[in-house]
Amino acid sequence: KAGVTQTPRYLIKTRGQQVTLSCSPISGHRSVSWYQQTPGQGLQFLFEYFSETQRNKGNFPGRFSGRQFSNSRSEMNVSTLELGDSALYLCASSRDGLFNYGYTFGSGTRLTVV
Amino acid sequence: AQSVTQLGSHVSVSEGALVLLRCNYSSSVPPYLFWYVQYPNQGLQLLLKYTTGATLVKGINGFEAEFKKSETSFHLTKPSAHMSDAAEYFCAVSDGKAAGNKLTFGGGTRVLVKP
Repeated sequence: KAGVTQTPRYLIKTRGQQVTLSCSPISGHRSVSWYQQTPGQGLQFLFEYFSETQRNKGNFPGRFSGRQFSNSRSEMNVSTLELGDSALYLCASSRDGLFNYGYTFGSGTRLTVV
Repeated sequence: AQSVTQLGSHVSVSEGALVLLRCNYSSSVPPYLFWYVQYPNQGLQLLLKYTTGATLVKGINGFEAEFKKSETSFHLTKPSAHMSDAAEYFCAVSDGKAAGNKLTFGGGTRVLVKP
């Protein structure tokens, strides 16, 4: 059974650029969540999508956005990159509820902004 | 608002010794609690979770945790550490479906296992 796949694994971008990260959930999982992990702020929730609808959103600026497609694959976009956006971005999928099934995390995309 | 505090950002244990990682939470409603482990350059792997029912929860790799409501704690233990337990461990809380699938994480505890 394939796990959660995040692409690319590593990315280097320049300040001011934009970036799109991709997440393919486990087959049959309809919920996809995104987290940012940094040494300073730790793990922070970005947003969650379920059946193509954003169901929950964290406290991040509008530069951070996401979407989910009908096949449950999700993308997140960061526009006008800042140095502080350098982080490991983790995607997690769940069949439905966190509480019954838990999350399965991908290995993440490490974004470096220079 | 919820919060999670993990006491000790780094813990060093000898192989074969008890592993004890402390987690205290704050939640205005009955919490759902989780422990995750992260190995270098990898994502998070669920060790165990508490939602309802028995307060002593057994997880993978010999880990267990006990939910103590009166102490607002969810400490993680393993009776005998193995070299493969060296990793970073995260405690997380969610306040139920009203928050959707949102987890609030603690700062993490990095475990070093000495031979």
